[in-house]
Amino acid sequence: IAGITQAPTSQILAAGRRMTLRCTQDMRHNAMYWYRQDLGLGLRLIHYSNTAGTTGKGEVPDGYSVSRANTDDFPLTLASAVPSQTSVYFCASSVVGTSWVNEQFFGPGTRLTVL
Amino acid sequence: GENVEQHPSTLSVQEGDSAVIKCTYSDSASNYFPWYKQELGKGPQLIIDIRSNVGEKKDQRIAVTLNKTAKHFSLHITETQPEDSAVYFCAARDSSASKIIFGSGTRLSIRP
Repeated sequence: IAGITQAPTSQILAAGRRMTLRCTQDMRHNAMYWYRQDLGLGLRLIHYSNTAGTTGKGEVPDGYSVSRANTDDFPLTLASAVPSQTSVYFCASSVVGTSWVNEQFFGPGTRLTVL
Repeated sequence: GENVEQHPSTLSVQEGDSAVIKCTYSDSASNYFPWYKQELGKGPQLIIDIRSNVGEKKDQRIAVTLNKTAKHFSLHITETQPEDSAVYFCAARDSSASKIIFGSGTRLSIRP
């Protein structure tokens, strides 16, 4: 693995189903993030984690949950998918401190369609 | 929390001309302002960033300016080329936590 990977690449999901999007990085970055992108524009932060064992809410957290059991992995779960969650999901990672951040590296994205 | 506004949403310029994209932010304590380029079907990639202790930064044909008093920053691309066609995002650090908030994006098209 080199950098940050996401799985699956794309998924079609029935409404009401549970889905977990996977994200793994091998850069030993302490911070990880999940964004959604609608209509080809506008990245909105869903959840983030500044270090293993901690998570925080972003701009649009409702309907999503995350966990950060270790440094490398940051899965995003949709407990009961709804059509409005149809989007492209990007995972990112970076090195951060208490009062600074560095460049974010993004994964290739997961295209999710909820019918 | 931080709020970032970006203009214009679309921009078309003649090849060889300059392109300027502008952003404003709300968090006066924000100290980091990156710009990302996103090509079709790919994740965003950093092209340049600026921290609050400088007012301007340049990297070849790309420059970013920061006005902390007015809380706005701009991306300048000179001598535009076809490969500059993409979606560009500005962003700013939310000082309440080490997270980045993005603007809504600008779709830049370079006319031959």
